[in-house]
Amino acid sequence: EAGVAQSPRYKIIEKRQSVAFWCNPISGHATLYWYQQILGQGPKLLIQFQNNGVVDDSQLPKDRFSAERLKGVDSTLKIQPAKLEDSAVYLCASSLASGGHGYTFGSGTRLTVV
Amino acid sequence: AQSVTQLDSQVPVFEEAPVELRCNYSSSVSVYLFWYVQYPNQGLQLLLKYLSGSTLVKGINGFEAEFNKSQTSFHLRKPSVHISDTAEYFCALSTSGTYKYIFGTGTRLKVLA
Repeated sequence: EAGVAQSPRYKIIEKRQSVAFWCNPISGHATLYWYQQILGQGPKLLIQFQNNGVVDDSQLPKDRFSAERLKGVDSTLKIQPAKLEDSAVYLCASSLASGGHGYTFGSGTRLTVV
Repeated sequence: AQSVTQLDSQVPVFEEAPVELRCNYSSSVSVYLFWYVQYPNQGLQLLLKYLSGSTLVKGINGFEAEFNKSQTSFHLRKPSVHISDTAEYFCALSTSGTYKYIFGTGTRLKVLA
């Protein structure tokens, strides 16, 4: 089966600019996650979707980050405006259902804010 | 609140030697435990998971881990490593009802020729 697709792979922007990341999960996977992985740290959950509804966004900095999953398939994560501390790898993952153990991760988008 | 601690940030080991990567966790409720591997510029790949049952879990690429509830540990082991095992390894936990993962900070395994 095809994996979780993410784009772009790399992005460099200046602080205060905006940026968007795209994720296409594995076909049929109802649950989609966005994780932020800062260099030297483990991934941290930003937001979890079940179909097109938000299950958990408690660690999403909502003043600058937003995410949507229209039609319960693809998802977009946006940062506006970006800060230097947003430099990280943004990982998208999907699983069959909220009870599905073991995500499938995409390759991630490496964001550098200068 | 739950947490995961990976005590070793880097582990160098010679090829064909055994290796153990340590993971300890803290939780007041039952947990599910996972080990993921991340190769350079790639996403995370599931190595193995403990959900219930036998405390010795076997995964891909010859790795295994043992769940020890009394010591709140889930150490990853491989009897003989290869150069290709060089990567970053993450321990993670989740709990029933949330399935949100809490990750450790990772251990960088470097296999030397």
